[in-house]
Amino acid sequence: AQSVTQPDIHITVSEGASLELRCNYSYGATPYLFWYVQSPGQGLQLLLKYFSGDTLVQGIKGFEAEFKRSQSSFNLRKPSVHWSDAAEYFCAVAAGQNFVFGPGTRLSVLP
Amino acid sequence: NAGVTQTPKFQVLKTGQSMTLQCAQDMNHEYMSWYRQDPGMGLRLIHYSVGAGITDQGEVPNGYNVSRSTTEDFPLRLLSAAPSQTSVYFCASSYSRWGNTDTQYFGPGTRLTVL
Repeated sequence: AQSVTQPDIHITVSEGASLELRCNYSYGATPYLFWYVQSPGQGLQLLLKYFSGDTLVQGIKGFEAEFKRSQSSFNLRKPSVHWSDAAEYFCAVAAGQNFVFGPGTRLSVLP
Repeated sequence: NAGVTQTPKFQVLKTGQSMTLQCAQDMNHEYMSWYRQDPGMGLRLIHYSVGAGITDQGEVPNGYNVSRSTTEDFPLRLLSAAPSQTSVYFCASSYSRWGNTDTQYFGPGTRLTVL
């Protein structure tokens, strides 16, 4: 069965520091991968997605993610975090008829 | 465009009561789906629809019914609410299948508490 793991439940970084959120997936075929962000009390907003081609994907708000097939990973990165990036981040995989989300990583940003 | 709208935003039910969570989209999307979000578990797919008149079960369909009589609307029904259904519910829509080059758009959510 398909699954998505996000090893870090909660991460705290200082404003201006770099960020990497980890995501690992389990899926037998070529995955379609996504990162979503959810601000408190809000719905989910798509940050970026990977379907094929270049394994380094650029998204909105200065985020990027790199697909590594050999590691079954799709980690999200940002070179310099802003206070407004504090939110919960979800990795997801589209697997056939299903769409599977990871448990999420909550990001806190220190001033 | 209003995008994906959900009503109500908050609801409190007693065990055994029934209710319908409303979801509507004005983007002419064929695919719509319902998720529930529980702490530490991310979002889990309840039901989805690939077009008017066509629905199917997701990962956690028990206790929920859906129908799709129009492209715009995709209501979720709880026939006999249970405390285990306390959750935040999100509706989403997309033009085509998730595995395509399209994007799912999410509504703002409905927070449901079952006492």
